[in-house]
Amino acid sequence: EDKVVQSPLSLVVHEGDTVTLNCSYEVTNFRSLLWYKQEKKAPTFLFMLTSSGIEKKSGRLSSILDKKELFSILNITATQTGDSAVYLCAVENTDKLIFGTGTRLQVFP
Amino acid sequence: DTAVSQTPKYLVTQMGNDKSIKCEQNLGHDTMYWYKQDSKKFLKIMFSYNNKELIINETVPNRFSPKSPDKAHLNLHINSLELGDSAVYFCASSRLPPGGYNEQFFGPGTRLTVL
Repeated sequence: EDKVVQSPLSLVVHEGDTVTLNCSYEVTNFRSLLWYKQEKKAPTFLFMLTSSGIEKKSGRLSSILDKKELFSILNITATQTGDSAVYLCAVENTDKLIFGTGTRLQVFP
Repeated sequence: DTAVSQTPKYLVTQMGNDKSIKCEQNLGHDTMYWYKQDSKKFLKIMFSYNNKELIINETVPNRFSPKSPDKAHLNLHINSLELGDSAVYFCASSRLPPGGYNEQFFGPGTRLTVL
């Protein structure tokens, strides 16, 4: 059965800390891996990764994919309180998007 | 200029009732989806439609019936509501069907509470 597993489930840090969120997967017919940020409402798209070893970067956020070891990481440097959210990892195969359970990040001042 | 919109945002109803949730996207996308997010924040696909045609039904009970009158709309009708149907329902859309290397854009969600 296809599955996407995220760790940790929950993370509490102080502003300025750097965090690493993990996503491992076992999915048939892999196409891409996506990261979303979910605050109170809709998940909003962060990154799509299709190739191993190529880092995607947007401001303080970056992500990389390892298709051999079947995992991805999302890094957030110099965290801010506005980074507090649930971060969702999802893997796209030929049929659908399969989500992990998310990592809840809380950033305190 | 909302991309994916859903109505209503909140729905509180009694067991056994029938209710509908509407979804519209103005992105010009061909594919639309319904997801269910449970209390543990786990998002699971329910249905996918491409060009008004059903392409995925993830073993959802037949009390749930999606309807796509056109490419920009995908509505969800639920009959005989049960307590376990309480969740947040998200509509989403993408330019291409799954497998097309494309991100999905999500609506704001509809929180359904069945009493």
